[in-house]
Amino acid sequence: GQQVMQIPQYQHVQEGEDFTTYCNSSTTLSNIQWYKQRPGGHPVFLIQLVKSGEVKKQKRLTFQFGEAKKNSSLHITATQTTDVGTYFCAGLSNSGSRLTFGEGTQLTVNP
Amino acid sequence: GAGVSQSPRYKVAKRGQDVALRCDPISGHVSLFWYQQALGQGPEFLTYFQNEAQLDKSGLPSDRFFAERPEGSVSTLKIQRTQQEDSAVYLCASSLSGSRGNYEQYFGPGTRLTVT
Repeated sequence: GQQVMQIPQYQHVQEGEDFTTYCNSSTTLSNIQWYKQRPGGHPVFLIQLVKSGEVKKQKRLTFQFGEAKKNSSLHITATQTTDVGTYFCAGLSNSGSRLTFGEGTQLTVNP
Repeated sequence: GAGVSQSPRYKVAKRGQDVALRCDPISGHVSLFWYQQALGQGPEFLTYFQNEAQLDKSGLPSDRFFAERPEGSVSTLKIQRTQQEDSAVYLCASSLSGSRGNYEQYFGPGTRLTVT
């Protein structure tokens, strides 16, 4: 079945440093979504990417979808303590109805 | 407006007991999803409803798991004869679109189930 892998599993940064998490799917995706889950909270939708090679920005966050629609990345510029949490990518296959989540990257930011 | 709500927030069950977990989606949302999230893992898909129709239940781990959404609104996930490996957070999410998975999903706070 479809697998979505994320690296790294953990990332510790100093406030102000940049952060990137990478997502790879075993199959071509219809679209990919990114979610953020704060400690003790529930996943909150960040963005959806649909087109091959698509790049979207939200303030300090930049999201990319690979040309082959099998990988994606999230880059945060100049991290802040409010960025703390686990970032999940979730891919929708061309043939499926389900979102397959990666295992997430847990980000901690030291002030 | 109100988001997705789930009840109970916490449930402790003895092994072998049946449990029922409730989800109230956002009003008007067509799609409803159930996920299971183990500690330190991403949510794993269990089942999907479009209105009252259960269109995909391929993620349910065994026939002890059953979900329904009889009137296309509130949904219940039932687990029969609970086992320790069922311990997890059960997340419900709803989405406005009838197109499967193509729109953002709004998650509820989850029900943390502990089976002793």
